[in-house]
Amino acid sequence: QKEVEQNSGPLSVPEGAIASLNCTYSDRGSQSFFWYRQYSGKSPELIMFIYSNGDKEDGRFTAQLNKASQYVSLLIRDSQPSDSATYLCAGTGGTSYGKLTFGQGTILTVHP
Amino acid sequence: DGGITQSPKYLFRKEGQNVTLSCEQNLNHDAMYWYRQDPGQGLRLIYYSQIVNDFQKGDIAEGYSVSREKKESFPLTVTSAQKNPTAFYLCASIDRPRGTDTQYFGPGTRLTVL
Repeated sequence: QKEVEQNSGPLSVPEGAIASLNCTYSDRGSQSFFWYRQYSGKSPELIMFIYSNGDKEDGRFTAQLNKASQYVSLLIRDSQPSDSATYLCAGTGGTSYGKLTFGQGTILTVHP
Repeated sequence: DGGITQSPKYLFRKEGQNVTLSCEQNLNHDAMYWYRQDPGQGLRLIYYSQIVNDFQKGDIAEGYSVSREKKESFPLTVTSAQKNPTAFYLCASIDRPRGTDTQYFGPGTRLTVL
């Protein structure tokens, strides 16, 4: 069973802090990883994707991938109350033509 | 305006009924996907289609059926064989301009069994 596991939540951080969301995966063939944000009752929206080892930054968001440790993370700097949502980690293999395996999600709450 | 549309937004089904959820995209994407999401859980893949007239089962295909007669459309039928169909259903399609499998989602259909 190919699995993606996310750190247990919910996660609560104060406004302005760094929120750290973590994800591990079991399939060593997984090549690309995606972080989606999902507000309550809405569909997921893509935040970032990463497929190379190391860090990838986009505004307040930084994704980190360590293929040797099979570990993916998302850092949110200067967290805002509008960042409060469920964050979904997903991975895909090279030959699966887009088949994604999702983690169970981590609920993030940013309190003023 | 390009995007993925799903209808209806809310759907109520009686026991023993088949219902069909619509998914349409005008993004010219080849591949389309159906996921199911239960409260507090991630998404689970039901069916996917890479090209017209071809589709494959995902992880939880039992009790569901699909068709792909047109590139733009990938309807999902929830049959009476699906014992616990109450869930949030999401359709997605894939864009690979840079070789990355980035999926974009429609707004979803919330199905409730009465």
